[in-house]
Amino acid sequence: KQEVTQIPAALSVPEGENLVLNCSFTDSAIYNLQWFRQDPGKGLTSLLLIQSSQREQTSGRLNASLDKSSGRSTLYIAASQPGDSATYLCAVRPTGGTSYGKLTFGQGTILTVHP
Amino acid sequence: DAGVIQSPRHEVTEMGQEVTLRCKPISGHDYLFWYRQTMMRGLELLIYFNNNVPIDDSGMPEDRFSAKMPNASFSTLKIQPSEPRDSAVYFCASSRDRLMNTEAFFGQGTRLTVV
Repeated sequence: KQEVTQIPAALSVPEGENLVLNCSFTDSAIYNLQWFRQDPGKGLTSLLLIQSSQREQTSGRLNASLDKSSGRSTLYIAASQPGDSATYLCAVRPTGGTSYGKLTFGQGTILTVHP
Repeated sequence: DAGVIQSPRHEVTEMGQEVTLRCKPISGHDYLFWYRQTMMRGLELLIYFNNNVPIDDSGMPEDRFSAKMPNASFSTLKIQPSEPRDSAVYFCASSRDRLMNTEAFFGQGTRLTVV
């Protein structure tokens, strides 16, 4: 059974810092990995999708890396801003069969960026 | 496209009543997912459909829960009878076929409170 762990559970940083959020998964047979952002009381917003054959994806100040063999992904946020404050979730999708749709989520990292 | 649309956004009901949650996926998406989010258990996959056919419902907690997808643009999740422990945020998500960009997009969720 796939298990996804996110570290740290919570992070508080001053504005302007670069930071790294970590995601690890137990089964390396994944199709892709997706990072989401969730604001309080809101739905999930997709940030980045990394296919299993890719090593990283970038979008603006966000960079996500994937090391499938070691079961790890990191989300790097450059020059953090108060507006980045949210819960960040990673999710993995298995490779095939009827398990394909089972996007498994970590518990999330609650990020607070202070002005 | 307006994204994944869920209704209602909030639902308060009494124990024992029937509750129906609705979802309209993004047009052209082949996969539809129902998730439940609680503080204790995080995001859990309840059921998912491919081309309107239920593929895996192993996450559905009990027979009180049922889901249907009568056509490509509409799905329902029904709880009958509802219980206080069903209180959670229920999310619907959709994505395209695995051979294409399989990024999952989430709706804003339905916050269900059973009193």
